[in-house]
Amino acid sequence: AAGVIQSPRHLIKEKRETATLKCYPIPRHDTVYWYQQGPGQDPQFLISFYEKMQSDKGSIPDRFSAQQFSDYHSELNMSSLELGDSALYFCASSPWDRARTGELFFGEGSRLTVL
Amino acid sequence: AQTVTQSQPEMSVQEAETVTLSCTYDTSESDYYLFWYKQPPSRQMILVIRQEAYKQQNATENRFSVNFQKAAKSFSLKISDSQLGDAAMYFCALSGGGADGLTFGKGTHLIIQP
Repeated sequence: AAGVIQSPRHLIKEKRETATLKCYPIPRHDTVYWYQQGPGQDPQFLISFYEKMQSDKGSIPDRFSAQQFSDYHSELNMSSLELGDSALYFCASSPWDRARTGELFFGEGSRLTVL
Repeated sequence: AQTVTQSQPEMSVQEAETVTLSCTYDTSESDYYLFWYKQPPSRQMILVIRQEAYKQQNATENRFSVNFQKAAKSFSLKISDSQLGDAAMYFCALSGGGADGLTFGKGTHLIIQP
């Protein structure tokens, strides 16, 4: 079965650079979520989208932005990177009716290292 | 605000034995859902089991079952006949019923001893 695809899987950037992470949801999933998981930490909700519109916002820094495109893939843009941004970034998708109950399907994550 | 607390950073169990992972939560929602997610070393989070708050019956999925105590806001996971493949981080999570994502606990690292 198709899963959530995230790219790149690994990314190394310098401080103050920018990075873009991509997420391709499972076909026919219309909601996308982004989570940030620091080393040894629990995942923190960043932002979510439903039908290409932002549906909720969590602890996403102002330096970060995201959007969902017409094909439902989503991109997380991170600017002015800081050392503390080093983390595993998960994307999750779900059909709306299952998203409402919190049942999400996670990708394998993109590991960002900021040097 | 919703909170999820997992008080056991690490648990260890012998293969084939039973282990229980604890989770407590707090929410002001009347309609919510509770989950246990497993995160093996490959890092992808996998849904293990789900419980709807309005259901009194405890959810069961093969070797995995929960003890949901709504009044006590407790949601523990029992793994029976533990297998080596069960070794992972286990996260308890709470959803408020909207598209606002999940609130996760800090996780419990489960070690399976052969």
